[in-house]
Amino acid sequence: DGGITQSPKYLFRKEGQNVTLSCEQNLNHDAMYWYRQDPGQGLRLIYYSQIVNDFQKGDIAEGYSVSREKKESFPLTVTSAQKNPTAFYLCASRGSRNTEAFFGQGTRLTVV
Amino acid sequence: QKEVEQNSGPLSVPEGAIASLNCTYSDRGSQSFFWYRQYSGKSPELIMSIYSNGDKEDGRFTAQLNKASQYVSLLIRDSQPSDSATYLCAVNPLEGSQGNLIFGKGTKLSVKP
Repeated sequence: DGGITQSPKYLFRKEGQNVTLSCEQNLNHDAMYWYRQDPGQGLRLIYYSQIVNDFQKGDIAEGYSVSREKKESFPLTVTSAQKNPTAFYLCASRGSRNTEAFFGQGTRLTVV
Repeated sequence: QKEVEQNSGPLSVPEGAIASLNCTYSDRGSQSFFWYRQYSGKSPELIMSIYSNGDKEDGRFTAQLNKASQYVSLLIRDSQPSDSATYLCAVNPLEGSQGNLIFGKGTKLSVKP
């Protein structure tokens, strides 16, 4: 089945550690996105990539990094510089500018 | 700064009633509009897309778009408790935001049995 797969579903991290969240899609979409969602809040854009080997900062990129070496993959690293990383992280993809975005099932990150 | 505004709710309706969810947007040239449903703890799922003025119906859901008023709405007929969720409005602006969708913060709907 076509879709977006995020892993892991739950992730626990100690303070000071970097952690990488995986996002893979088999929809052949060019654009991929990472959002952060805090309880009772909307989606905030962290990073996005509209083509392989290129990505742009979103509204809250500080403390995060990404790579886009393959069309199918857009991993997000939450670095120790991110002061409040506990949140629900959502990966999405789109086929073209005017079309809908499809979301993965999300990764819930907790700093312990 | 392009914006999408939604009433955060909660909107409470009795089972079987019509739920009306509203969304306004700031970019008059916006091209495409989407409604997502997000259950608590889950990711958003697309339920409706609309591209031109008027109504679009899909089962119990109707999306309504009025570009002149910069207003898009979602009607849910015969509301069920399983419709209880947060509904996100997303807009694709003509300019700015690098072509990225702009999401509202969502309206929480509660359908009471």
